[in-house]
Amino acid sequence: GNSVTQMEGPVTLSEEAFLTINCTYTATGYPSLFWYVQYPGEGLQLLLKATKADDKGSNKGFEATYRKETTSFHLEKGSVQVSDSAVYFCALGHTGRRALTFGSGTRLQVQP
Amino acid sequence: DTAVSQTPKYLVTQMGNDKSIKCEQNLGHDTMYWYKQDSKKFLKIMFSYNNKELIINETVPNRFSPKSPDKAHLNLHINSLELGDSAVYFCASSLRTGVNEKLFFGSGTQLSVL
Repeated sequence: GNSVTQMEGPVTLSEEAFLTINCTYTATGYPSLFWYVQYPGEGLQLLLKATKADDKGSNKGFEATYRKETTSFHLEKGSVQVSDSAVYFCALGHTGRRALTFGSGTRLQVQP
Repeated sequence: DTAVSQTPKYLVTQMGNDKSIKCEQNLGHDTMYWYKQDSKKFLKIMFSYNNKELIINETVPNRFSPKSPDKAHLNLHINSLELGDSAVYFCASSLRTGVNEKLFFGSGTQLSVL
């Protein structure tokens, strides 16, 4: 079946540091890939997505590239801010199912 | 105005009780979902409705029963609560059904069964 594996957190960084949160997936065919973010006290919200291999999703300084050869969709940001502190969820959408498959989330803590 | 709102935010109850969680969306979306976040923090789909019709019903105990009185509301009723039901339950909606549709989530209901 489909599955998503994320690096365990928490990830603790200083402000302006470079961020990478790893995400790998297992699926047949060509799934769509997503990153959702959950800020404290709020629901998850879509951060970015990529629907085919080699696509790059980007938003708010975050980027992720759909790598089919490594079945990965790592999230990156060049310079994190305290306001980026949140839980980040990688997710997979497959046409064989009508709901997303989520990873377990990675908590990011950015210190001033 | 909150786009997807669910109540209550916290729910503490005894084993064996029956409880409901309510969800409402004011986005005009056709599709609504219930996800459960388990102890390992994975979000797993439980149910989905499209315009009041059940379209996803994962392997969930019969004690869980969703109800959609209209397309803006999707409630979750749980009978005979068990310790293992303790989790965070998220409601979500999307404009239509499809894996590329953007999901809008509520802020979650933390259920604790004692």
